[in-house]
Amino acid sequence: DVKVTQSSRYLVKRTGEKVFLECVQDMDHENMFWYRQDPGLGLRLIYFSYDVKMKEKGDIPEGYSVSREKKERFSLILESASTNQTSMYLCASTSPGTDVPGQYFGPGTRLTVT
Amino acid sequence: DAKTTQPPSMDCAEGRAANLPCNHSTISGNEYVYWYRQIHSQGPQYIIHGLKNNETNEMASLIITEDRKSSTLILPHATLRDTAVYYCIVRVGSAAGNKLTFGGGTRVLVKP
Repeated sequence: DVKVTQSSRYLVKRTGEKVFLECVQDMDHENMFWYRQDPGLGLRLIYFSYDVKMKEKGDIPEGYSVSREKKERFSLILESASTNQTSMYLCASTSPGTDVPGQYFGPGTRLTVT
Repeated sequence: DAKTTQPPSMDCAEGRAANLPCNHSTISGNEYVYWYRQIHSQGPQYIIHGLKNNETNEMASLIITEDRKSSTLILPHATLRDTAVYYCIVRVGSAAGNKLTFGGGTRVLVKP
């Protein structure tokens, strides 16, 4: 059974803190993604990675950075958390190609920044 | 990615088949139809995808019309746990950087 896990389901942090969100997949997927999901705004791509140590900015990278040191792990870092980063954060992974299954998502981390 | 149109909501009786329609009249020849669902407070879940032929897996069946302008996701025996928002997407596979964009989806409520 395919699996994407995220380090926390719920997280509460203070403004200005550095926050690490970890994502691990066990499917040997090349591509990994970080999204945030907010009511009325849908899914928005923050960063993605198509290989170890490779990363590309998505639509809303400001205030975030990522790290991919191993194929199975993709970390999202909030350098200095702000209240507007309160959101549901979703990690996903997939293999590249055309006729392939869709992205597999983790359970999500609901982050609250106070 | 081509635009899709889905009804905003539908109810289904537990144990009955749920048929979820999706219109994608501007689909390109190389675009696949993907279905996902999202149960409340959980991450989206991939269900099934197809290009031209009908597809079936352990979760659902996907029926694509011959002109590929519409499709139907079939949940053969809906359970209460199938209550979720279902998203139909058309896109060219899973290329790197090929971000996922969900439309409004169909909110399915399975009733006892």
